[in-house]
Amino acid sequence: AQTVTQSQPEMSVQEAETVTLSCTYDTSESDYYLFWYKQPPSRQMILVIRQEAYKQQNATENRFSVNFQKAAKSFSLKISDSQLGDAAMYFCAYRSALGDYKLSFGAGTTVTVRA
Amino acid sequence: DAGVIQSPRHEVTEMGQEVTLRCKPISGHDYLFWYRQTMMRGLELLIYFNNNVPIDDSGMPEDRFSAKMPNASFSTLKIQPSEPRDSAVYFCASSFGAGTGQETQYFGPGTRLLVL
Repeated sequence: AQTVTQSQPEMSVQEAETVTLSCTYDTSESDYYLFWYKQPPSRQMILVIRQEAYKQQNATENRFSVNFQKAAKSFSLKISDSQLGDAAMYFCAYRSALGDYKLSFGAGTTVTVRA
Repeated sequence: DAGVIQSPRHEVTEMGQEVTLRCKPISGHDYLFWYRQTMMRGLELLIYFNNNVPIDDSGMPEDRFSAKMPNASFSTLKIQPSEPRDSAVYFCASSFGAGTGQETQYFGPGTRLLVL
């Protein structure tokens, strides 16, 4: 099974500032998908952004963007102009594009936004 | 679309009782996944189905756990008998298959299970 590592258990950011969450993964595959999910206190898992490994262009969704470094097996999430509603746990996840479709999750990073 | 629907949202039961969790996937999705989330183990896959057929159940912790998908719009996860260590949040997720460009898994709100 693929291993997904999130090395930052907690991150704190001032409202309107930028925070970057790190994620690395281990795989021998060349074709796969990467995701960031947000889990607020309600426990709902909400998709933030996804990236296809065959695409070199980094995905962007409004204030959320990723830095995908395929060779380094790194997939960081940048939250710009942080808002109070961004406070949540963020999970990085990996999914193979070939045969095994389950998500492998990292341990998560708790983001706190200071007003 | 209403998204993935799970019921109940909360369940409190006593050790030894049978627990049944239910899931309705997003219409048209042909993959359905059951995950469990605990503080100790994080998010882990229990089982997943493709076109109602179980594909990988290697994450099912033991024989007390069973899952079924009798049709494309309904799945159950059953624990019998339940134990305190089964207390967790159980998520159901669904997606389209590979090659569709729509492989993202969408999660239900989860069922918070507490076994006393």
